[in-house]
Amino acid sequence: AQTVTQSQPEMSVQEAETVTLSCTYDTSESNYYLFWYKQPPSRQMILVIRQEAYKQQNATENRFSVNFQKAAKSFSLKISDSQLGDTAMYFCAFIPPRYNQGGKLIFGQGTELSVKP
Amino acid sequence: EAQVTQNPRYLITVTGKKLTVTCSQNMNHEYMSWYRQDPGLGLRQIYYSMNVEVTDKGDVPEGYKVSRKEKRNFPLILESPSPNQTSLYFCASSLGGLGGSTDTQYFGPGTRLTVL
Repeated sequence: AQTVTQSQPEMSVQEAETVTLSCTYDTSESNYYLFWYKQPPSRQMILVIRQEAYKQQNATENRFSVNFQKAAKSFSLKISDSQLGDTAMYFCAFIPPRYNQGGKLIFGQGTELSVKP
Repeated sequence: EAQVTQNPRYLITVTGKKLTVTCSQNMNHEYMSWYRQDPGLGLRQIYYSMNVEVTDKGDVPEGYKVSRKEKRNFPLILESPSPNQTSLYFCASSLGGLGGSTDTQYFGPGTRLTVL
């Protein structure tokens, strides 16, 4: 079975500091895609960042970057210069190749991040 | 504006009363999907559709039905809702097709359903 695990249910960080959210996954596939989604109190699911497994270079989006370790099946999210608006639930998600499971996003349990002033 | 819309956003109903949650996207996406979100479990897929008239079960399909008669719409039907279907529901869509359903999925705003 393919699974995604986020071992940190809750985290907090001071404004302007850096925080790293952990995610590990399990799959026998060699090509897949990984995502981080943000869910603020409004409950909207917002894409933060996307990583293709065949790319060795870690994806970055402004203050958000990932540390993708394919051999270790690890996909952590680093948020630099944390802002109050970063307060949200963060979900790590994995999608297997198209031929497998029809494009289902497999989600972790989520990490609740609080940014404190 | 490119978006996925869901209606209603909030719904309180009683056990056994049939209901439909609508989902519509204006991005000409082929792939659409329904997820439910429960505390501590993340989001789990209920049903998905690769294209018009093509639907299949996800991980938790029991008690739900879907249809895909038009490309833009993918309603979720609860024929006889029960309290264990109280949850937050999300519709999502992606480009899909030959490009593969590994494309980024865009989510609707969510529907909070309570079944008494």
